[in-house]
Amino acid sequence: DAGVIQSPRHEVTEMGQEVTLRCKPISGHNSLFWYRQTMMRGLELLIYFNNNVPIDDSGMPEDRFSAKMPNASFSTLKIQPSEPRDSAVYFCASGGSGRGQETQYFGPGTRLLVL
Amino acid sequence: AQSVTQLGSHVSVSEGALVLLRCNYSSSVPPYLFWYVQYPNQGLQLLLKYTSAATLVKGINGFEAEFKKSETSFHLTKPSAHMSDAAEYFCAVNGGSNYKLTFGKGTLLTVNP
Repeated sequence: DAGVIQSPRHEVTEMGQEVTLRCKPISGHNSLFWYRQTMMRGLELLIYFNNNVPIDDSGMPEDRFSAKMPNASFSTLKIQPSEPRDSAVYFCASGGSGRGQETQYFGPGTRLLVL
Repeated sequence: AQSVTQLGSHVSVSEGALVLLRCNYSSSVPPYLFWYVQYPNQGLQLLLKYTSAATLVKGINGFEAEFKKSETSFHLTKPSAHMSDAAEYFCAVNGGSNYKLTFGKGTLLTVNP
């Protein structure tokens, strides 16, 4: 299996621009997570999908952030408009659901820099 | 509620020395516990996990961890450090929720030649 795939790996953009991050989970996994990692805050869970449905978006910072999962093999995280404080590494992870299937498998991340 | 405390944000050892990274957790139900490793500019990789079977869990790259309920601990060890072990290590707990992992703040391991 190719593992969790994320694109782009690096993104540099200017403040105010729209940014779209993409994720392809591991085939057969029905849970998908978006995380943000910064030096100041560490690893933060932004949103969790189960069977393509958003279950918990309490970690999404504000309305500028949105996430979708139109099918089992694709998810996007969009920031519009972007701000310098959004600069971080964004990880997508996938896994099973239910007791005993909590292991999450992480993608390589997208390193976002907003100027 | 569940939480994880990793003692020591930075641990430095010499090559060949014992590695000990500490993790304490709190959970209202019997937990599942995980250690992940993150190499520079990479995602988190699962090292090992405890899921209520044997209390001593062996993982990849020679690492192991022991679940001690009485101490609410899940410390990570490796008998002999290699230069390639230099990375950041995260402990995580799942305390009954069907999805959410709570991560510690991470411990950066430096291995000196």
